[in-house]
Amino acid sequence: QVHLQESGPGLVRPSQTLSLTCTVSGTSIISADYYWSWFRQTPGKGLEWIAFIYHSGSASYSPSLKSRLSISVDTSKNQFSLTLASVTAADTGVYYCVRGSGYPWGQGTLVTVSS
Amino acid sequence: DIVMTQSPPSLSVTPGEPASISCRASQSLLNHNGYHYLEWFLQRPGQSPQLLIYLGSHRASGVPDRFSGSGSGTDFTLKISRVEPEDVGIYYCLQALQTPLTFGGGTRVEMK
Repeated sequence: QVHLQESGPGLVRPSQTLSLTCTVSGTSIISADYYWSWFRQTPGKGLEWIAFIYHSGSASYSPSLKSRLSISVDTSKNQFSLTLASVTAADTGVYYCVRGSGYPWGQGTLVTVSS
Repeated sequence: DIVMTQSPPSLSVTPGEPASISCRASQSLLNHNGYHYLEWFLQRPGQSPQLLIYLGSHRASGVPDRFSGSGSGTDFTLKISRVEPEDVGIYYCLQALQTPLTFGGGTRVEMK
């Protein structure tokens, strides 16, 4: 059974960089032609797609976040990661990693941006 | 960006009765491979979204057959043939045809 688990700090200071990692189990991140995605759910914008990446490293980013965003993949650890720079309170929310566009989702990790 | 418009915003249903949710895209979700890249999710309180339907009409593994998806082009519908208490939550449609992937605003379903 495929399982995704997000990890990272729950509290980030304004203007700092948010870093999250998704650990994939039950399948190899390179075993099929899926992309691996990040979504978030914020009070201001609801559910929102952030970015996705293929195991090759080819990635696509949300235009509204692209200038602050980086996504990477580590096939040796079966993980993919997200960094979001210059965070503000508007970046507070639950961040999810997902295989493809829909299945399965990780349980989500709450990130709060606050001083 | 493809804009996804869901209706209604909320729905109050009697257990055992049917329910229907609509999702309209600002452009066709038909890919050149013949599939519509439209997904439906249910987010129960305190949980991650759960995939119900993919490619417009394909039920995801483990999803009860009371859930069905239909539609083509820009107009799609999620139907629940007989609503059960565990169907309470917020339903979302998502277009995965092109980036940025975009969601509908959600439909909150509650029991009468």
